[in-house]
Amino acid sequence: AQKVTQAQTEISVVEKEDVTLDCVYETRDTTYYLFWYKQPPSGELVFLIRRNSFDEQNEISGRYSWNFQKSTSSFNFTITASQVVDSAVYFCALSEARQGAQKLVFGQGTRLTINP
Amino acid sequence: GAGVSQSPRYKVAKRGQDVALRCDPISGHVSLFWYQQALGQGPEFLTYFQNEAQLDKSGLPSDRFFAERPEGSVSTLKIQRTQQEDSAVYLCASSLFRQGAYEQYFGPGTRLTVT
Repeated sequence: AQKVTQAQTEISVVEKEDVTLDCVYETRDTTYYLFWYKQPPSGELVFLIRRNSFDEQNEISGRYSWNFQKSTSSFNFTITASQVVDSAVYFCALSEARQGAQKLVFGQGTRLTINP
Repeated sequence: GAGVSQSPRYKVAKRGQDVALRCDPISGHVSLFWYQQALGQGPEFLTYFQNEAQLDKSGLPSDRFFAERPEGSVSTLKIQRTQQEDSAVYLCASSLFRQGAYEQYFGPGTRLTVT
């Protein structure tokens, strides 16, 4: 069975600080996809990134970066120089990499609050 | 273009009432998913359609939950004889194959409160 664990329930930092959101996953599949979604107060899940299990290169997109380590089954997300607009609930998710669309297994989410 | 839309955005039902939640996916998206998100939790998979075929309904919590997508576009999630534990946000997502994988685009959700 697949499982995603986000141990940090809530994080609160002051604007401009760097913050890392942790994600640990479990799967028996050898190939899979990992995702991060942002859920602002409006409630709509916003796609941030997708990684393939065979691609362990870290990725940077502006102030966002992701560290995928297969050896520790982790896919952590770092926001550099945080801003108030980054305040939201962030979800890590996992899916199988089989033919056809696959359901997402989500973690419980981390509520991030950026204080001015 | 337009994103995934869901209606109603909010629904209050008395325990025992039947409810129907609607999802309009992005035009042309073949795959459609329903998820249930309880307060303070991550979304949990309910069911999946490819066109009009319901290929996976393993996440439906009871036989009171029923989903359909008769013409392969709009989908309806129906909950019969609602219970308080059904209170949650119900999210719909449609899926597009892009860059070698399927990406899911989520709607704003329907917040169901059972009193």
